[in-house]
Amino acid sequence: QKEVEQDPGPLSVPEGAIVSLNCTYSNSAFQYFMWYRQYSRKGPELLMYTYSSGNKEDGRFTAQVDKSSKYISLFIRDSQPSDSATYLCAMRSRDDKIIFGKGTRLHILP
Amino acid sequence: SAVISQKPSRDICQRGTSLTIQCQVDSQVTMMFWYRQQPGQSLTLIATANQGSEATYESGFVIDKFPISRPNLTFSTLTVSNMSPEDSSIYLCSVPDGLILNEQFFGPGTRLTVL
Repeated sequence: QKEVEQDPGPLSVPEGAIVSLNCTYSNSAFQYFMWYRQYSRKGPELLMYTYSSGNKEDGRFTAQVDKSSKYISLFIRDSQPSDSATYLCAMRSRDDKIIFGKGTRLHILP
Repeated sequence: SAVISQKPSRDICQRGTSLTIQCQVDSQVTMMFWYRQQPGQSLTLIATANQGSEATYESGFVIDKFPISRPNLTFSTLTVSNMSPEDSSIYLCSVPDGLILNEQFFGPGTRLTVL
């Protein structure tokens, strides 16, 4: 079992819909959970990070962590065509190694 | 935030040759990271480059294949040696944000195709 599992998609949703992106992980030592967004031919950029179970909101984006289930989610409300990108989950443990998911390709259809 | 540039942005190379990728940061940083992003695969750390010391390689990556230089606090190079088609990938450098522990800034990447 890989440490971080993420469905690669692609995921296509109509503009304005709520998007749900998810990752599961197996290492209970992970303490920090991050979501990166990567546009085509660009490097990843950090969207959000959190270190506790529960929800963290930033504008249209909500990051959710359930440590008991080893499951994290990113929700995008009122999705826009500009949200079309690859979203990578990432996790960090105490030894500072960051493990990335494979990324989910998201297409928002106008 | 840090601004990172990479050269070349893309290249097509022949099997058995080597390519050196350059990474330039607009500020001085202690650590620089080199990643590989293969199609359909996770972003994978190759090595950490520290100025003034040997690079630290992750499991599965060796210095003979991926030699790294770090001559100063704003610049690093990664060489992909004796290339094979399996080395076709995007190579990215990144630096950590000194204030936000979990943030890394990434360069735009170098898209390498080996024929």
